[in-house]
Amino acid sequence: GAVVSQHPSRVICKSGTSVKIECRSLDFQATTMFWYRQFPKQSLMLMATSNEGSKATYEQGVEKDKFLINHASLTLSTLTVTSAHPEDSSFYICSARERTGAQTQYFGPGTRLLVL
Amino acid sequence: GQNIDQPTEMTATEGAIVQINCTYQTSGFNGLFWYQQHAGEAPTFLSYNVLDGLEEKGRFSSFLSRSKGYSYLLLKELQMKDSASYLCAVFGAGSYQLTFGKGTKLSVIP
Repeated sequence: GAVVSQHPSRVICKSGTSVKIECRSLDFQATTMFWYRQFPKQSLMLMATSNEGSKATYEQGVEKDKFLINHASLTLSTLTVTSAHPEDSSFYICSARERTGAQTQYFGPGTRLLVL
Repeated sequence: GQNIDQPTEMTATEGAIVQINCTYQTSGFNGLFWYQQHAGEAPTFLSYNVLDGLEEKGRFSSFLSRSKGYSYLLLKELQMKDSASYLCAVFGAGSYQLTFGKGTKLSVIP
């Protein structure tokens, strides 16, 4: 099946710093990538939809100036958490959608962020 | 709006069969996915249904009835490693964003 990588897998940072998370589709092109956040024992919550070459579409309640998304190519999207605070500590997961066929979303392995 | 319901928790015995149900009410429908998520890990794709009927893939099968807004995931010959959360997710109309149910935590016991 299709492979999506995510880097880093874990990051610990100080409050007020920024963290960049990369999401790559390794063996397919993804015009659309999605960023999710998952708090412990809760379901995935969509944060934003990222389309290659255009601005991301953010879900209600997600601050676009805090969570910067860049989708520079058909295989790479980045999420930057700016001025991170402890409440931003969470599991961030990206997914990439195939351009053809069932357009299944394949998930990256996730990035666990801890803000101290 | 979108509403997806599935049981919160289920327990089944190793070697048995378990059926996890999912009902959905969405504005339009472009397909239903089942994902498996082990604790602390990202979801992995299990199945995709867009037409009515049963899709079988090894020990896992998924069924869809669009008229009833209903799907189930059937796991046969349960193994301990099948203990995980199972997420039902729906594509609504006009969008390829997935809406996830809250997930069903399956515990397989000896």
